[in-house]
Amino acid sequence: ELKVEQNPLFLSMQEGKNYTIYCNYSTTSDRLYWYRQDPGKSLESLFVLLSNGAVKQEGRLMASLDTKARLSTLHITAAVHDLSATYFCAAGADGLTFGKGTHLIIQP
Amino acid sequence: KAGVTQTPRYLIKTRGQQVTLSCSPISGHRSVSWYQQTPGQGLQFLFEYFSETQRNKGNFPGRFSGRQFSNSRSEMNVSTLELGDSALYLCASSLDPWGALGTDTQYFGPGTRLTVL
Repeated sequence: ELKVEQNPLFLSMQEGKNYTIYCNYSTTSDRLYWYRQDPGKSLESLFVLLSNGAVKQEGRLMASLDTKARLSTLHITAAVHDLSATYFCAAGADGLTFGKGTHLIIQP
Repeated sequence: KAGVTQTPRYLIKTRGQQVTLSCSPISGHRSVSWYQQTPGQGLQFLFEYFSETQRNKGNFPGRFSGRQFSNSRSEMNVSTLELGDSALYLCASSLDPWGALGTDTQYFGPGTRLTVL
């Protein structure tokens, strides 16, 4: 059974700082997804990572995938308040298994 | 392009009742997946329909069922509601998330908030 673990689960940081969210998964998965969820809203797709060494960047967010280590990271560069949200990673080949989410608060 | 729509957005039911939720995918998308989100269990996969066939199923009791119509719209039904069924139910549409292309992301609808009293 695939398990997906994220850490940290809660993160409070200041604007302008850099930080990384980690996502470990327990069994082989040929793809890894990152989603963002704002309070009371649905999930917004951020990245789909399909192969070992894949790196994708959008604005201040960069995601990478290491399939050998079964690890994905979401790196935030020079954080701004608008990035405050809950971030989920998910993996799976026949139905997504989600991590518990990282609740990110970015303070001015 | 219109996004994924779900109706109703909010529902209040009592224990023992049944409920039907509806999801209209993005035009052209043939896959619809359903997820349950609760504070305790997080996001959990219910099932996926592709071209009117249930292709994948999560670990939920048989009280949870679904179907997909020829126009790709999908419905989810929960019978004999329990208090623990209170949740946000999300559907997601995609061209084919588990197919050979592998590049298809899932686009989520706004969800239906179900409260069971």
